[in-house]
Amino acid sequence: GAVVSQHPSWVICKSGTSVKIECRSLDFQATTMFWYRQFPKQSLMLMATSNEGSKATYEQGVEKDKFLINHASLTLSTLTVTSAHPEDSSFYICSARDSWPGETRPLHFGNGTRLTVT
Amino acid sequence: GQNIDQPTEMTATEGAIVQINCTYQTSGFNGLFWYQQHAGEAPTFLSYNVLDGLEEKGRFSSFLSRSKGYSYLLLKELQMKDSASYLCAVMDSNYQLIWGAGTKLIIKP
Repeated sequence: GAVVSQHPSWVICKSGTSVKIECRSLDFQATTMFWYRQFPKQSLMLMATSNEGSKATYEQGVEKDKFLINHASLTLSTLTVTSAHPEDSSFYICSARDSWPGETRPLHFGNGTRLTVT
Repeated sequence: GQNIDQPTEMTATEGAIVQINCTYQTSGFNGLFWYQQHAGEAPTFLSYNVLDGLEEKGRFSSFLSRSKGYSYLLLKELQMKDSASYLCAVMDSNYQLIWGAGTKLIIKP
């Protein structure tokens, strides 16, 4: 089945530093990947849609200059949290659709990255 | 507005059957997904319904009624490892996923 690999699994960083999270589709090509954030005991919140070779589409309220997304190839998207602050501490999850035909393909998720900003 | 409703928490006994309901109001409909999420982990795909009726996959079944804006996930022969949150998500007319808040399922021995 479709596998999405996310790295790192967890990271602790100091306030003001930047953190890069990688998301790779291992056995399929993903023209579109999605980045979610999940706070404890809350549902997934879509942050942005990452499109290969073009700019990401950000959801309302998500700062594009703070959460930099790069989708340079069909198998790799990166999310960089710039100048991280403690309130950015969260569980970040990437996902991609597998190769079912059409738009209504299920999402497969990476294992998530737990970011703690001290 | 768009809305997905599912119970916050449910408790069931090992070996029993539990039904988790999901009602939705969305702008258009292109399918309903159920995901399982264990604490501290990413969600995993369970099922997809786009036509009315029941889809069965082993111990898990998912039902959809588009006219009622209603779905349920049925879990049979519950095992302790089924303790998790179950997320209902609907794909709207723009192919965007609208997520429910999730139902935390607690399995007791």
